[in-house]
Amino acid sequence: NAGVTQTPKFRILKIGQSMTLQCAQDMNHNYMYWYRQDPGMGLKLIYYSVGAGITDKGEVPNGYNVSRSTTEDFPLRLELAAPSQTSVYFCASSRQPNTYNEQFFGPGTRLTVL
Amino acid sequence: GENVEQHPSTLSVQEGDSAVIKCTYSDSASNYFPWYKQELGKRPQLIIDIRSNVGEKKDQRIAVTLNKTAKHFSLHITETQPEDSAVYFCAASKNGQNFVFGPGTRLSVLP
Repeated sequence: NAGVTQTPKFRILKIGQSMTLQCAQDMNHNYMYWYRQDPGMGLKLIYYSVGAGITDKGEVPNGYNVSRSTTEDFPLRLELAAPSQTSVYFCASSRQPNTYNEQFFGPGTRLTVL
Repeated sequence: GENVEQHPSTLSVQEGDSAVIKCTYSDSASNYFPWYKQELGKRPQLIIDIRSNVGEKKDQRIAVTLNKTAKHFSLHITETQPEDSAVYFCAASKNGQNFVFGPGTRLSVLP
C-alpha cells in the first residue's frame, strides 16, 4: 500500500493564481482531512469528509474548496491565492470511528504564495 | 467550538529523565484524544491515543492519562532518549471527525 499520497511536493504561486492540491489514499478509508501547518505552529483543520459526496468545514475553510467524488481522492482547491495561504498542507485519512480512529498523514505539500 | 491548549511550548530534559506534556480541552463531547510526534520536515505520526471511556493507556515508555472531569490529558515519556527529540501535538476529536490540535511542544533530550 502506498498509504496517503500528495502532489505536488512543492509549489510557488503568484497572488491571485489558483491551483488544486491532490490527495489520494489506497487504504479504503472513509474519513479524509485537509490541514494546514504554518511555520512553528500546530495543524489547523481546513475541511474534512466522512465519505464520498460528503464534506464539511473545519476551523479555517475560507479561501479553499474541496470535493469528494470517490473514496480514494480528496482534492483541495485554492482560488485566488493570497500570501496568507503560504503554508505546508497535509492530507490525512482514517477508518470509521467505530473501528479505529488513527489518522494517517501524507508527506505534505509546501506552498508559497508570492 | 473545541479549543485545545498545550503546555509547555518547549521542554528540555536530560537523557534518561521523564518528560510530561499537558493538554486541556473545552468541549465535553470530545471523546478521542491522540498524540502525534513530528520530526523536522516530516509528517505527524501517531504515537499513542486514548478514548474517553479509558483513564490511562501505556505503550512501553509512553503513557497517556485522561481526566474527563477536569477536561485534561497528559503525555508521559519515561527514560527519554535523544531520538525522542521532536515536536509533540495533542488533539481532541468527537467521533473521529472535527480534530482540533494543540499548538505543540518542542521536546529536546540532551545527551
